[in-house]
Amino acid sequence: GAGVSQSPRYKVAKRGQDVALRCDPISGHVSLFWYQQALGQGPEFLTYFQNEAQLDKSGLPSDRFFAERPEGSVSTLKIQRTQQEDSAVYLCASSPWTSGPYEQYFGPGTRLTVT
Amino acid sequence: DQQVKQNSPSLSVQEGRISILNCDYTNSMFDYFLWYKKYPAEGPTFLISISSIKDKNEDGRFTVFLNKSAKHLSLHIVPSQPGDSAVYFCAASPTFQGAQKLVFGQGTRLTINP
Repeated sequence: GAGVSQSPRYKVAKRGQDVALRCDPISGHVSLFWYQQALGQGPEFLTYFQNEAQLDKSGLPSDRFFAERPEGSVSTLKIQRTQQEDSAVYLCASSPWTSGPYEQYFGPGTRLTVT
Repeated sequence: DQQVKQNSPSLSVQEGRISILNCDYTNSMFDYFLWYKKYPAEGPTFLISISSIKDKNEDGRFTVFLNKSAKHLSLHIVPSQPGDSAVYFCAASPTFQGAQKLVFGQGTRLTINP
């Protein structure tokens, strides 16, 4: 079956521009996660949705970052007034579970470069 | 504060030999651990996991060992194959209620030489 898909795969933004990154989770997966991966580092948690409810947004680095999942399926991560330190790969992951620590299934990521 | 650490950025192993990747953690609330494998331009792919109630979990060529007292886990790959060349991430999760996020290490780049 289809895995997690993300679009665009690559995005170049000028500093100060707003960007929107899309994630299509695996069909039927209730849990959805966003991670940020800086060059040479491991992914870092940003936020978590269970269906349409955003249950944890403790990892969002500033109020310029906003995520939504209005219908409990597709999710969008929006970054306003992008800055150079926002350059990273943004990974989306989904899982069919609502509790417990189980594996998450990752998409290919969106590489954001802010110039 | 790096709660999950992979102190070896890279590792080179001869094909057919054993690859051992190491991971240390500091948070005693972590009680479920996972290994992910990542190829360039792809997302991480789940490999194997272990709960803190176990000290070993095996799946084919992959075995994960957990030493809770040392807060250390390792991934053994035997025999190593060229297709195993990738970046390997260790991840941890606390299982207290509502905790769903994974905390990742920095990764170890494994190269299998023919």
